[in-house]
Amino acid sequence: DGGITQSPKYLFRKEGQNVTLSCEQNLNHDAMYWYRQDPGQGLRLIYYSQIVNDFQKGDIAEGYSVSREKKESFPLTVTSAQKNPTAFYLCASSIDLQTSGYNEQFFGPGTRLTVL
Amino acid sequence: GENVEQHPSTLSVQEGDSAVIKCTYSDSASNYFPWYKQELGKGPQLIIDIRSNVGEKKDQRIAVTLNKTAKHFSLHITETQPEDSAVYFCAASDYKLSFGAGTTVTVRA
Repeated sequence: DGGITQSPKYLFRKEGQNVTLSCEQNLNHDAMYWYRQDPGQGLRLIYYSQIVNDFQKGDIAEGYSVSREKKESFPLTVTSAQKNPTAFYLCASSIDLQTSGYNEQFFGPGTRLTVL
Repeated sequence: GENVEQHPSTLSVQEGDSAVIKCTYSDSASNYFPWYKQELGKGPQLIIDIRSNVGEKKDQRIAVTLNKTAKHFSLHITETQPEDSAVYFCAASDYKLSFGAGTTVTVRA
């Protein structure tokens, strides 16, 4: 899992509650990403950040929010507006987000969120 | 945006046989093609990648081939072992990674 930590590993939430997933990296990477993984599906991009204090929506940003106040941290909040939040959430980082396309990403161990 | 299709979705092979997974992509601007291996309950790990200026790359028992004209790339695992059992994802990138849906590989002892 490289130098990326995610916590907690398992998270349970009641409907209507917001919940924040933690992601920390000590790789000195500029770019960070959040993905959602559902059974039998590939990874879908929620949000990404190229530098501190900057982030962009990915393909499925509705119902999620992020912040990037520090280079090493990129927390994801799953809000009550997310209609189907139960999933496996993966955080990743890369050296930067180059337009040249070389974009080796390193993944954390993931957080499994279950809405009760 | 980029669309990556991956086949097959499941693959069962006898230990010692080869496994091949194929992916196609839609955006000709994509120039980086990594492959990830994911074990149950863990995050994906990069196992091999290839850039668009290279047609083939090999690392011990795994190899990847890229056909830019046809927009497809493949992962080849030779002499499969039980520890190769996992889910494998292909991806394509121009500046963001787009992932295939994954292939569950089972190596039968």
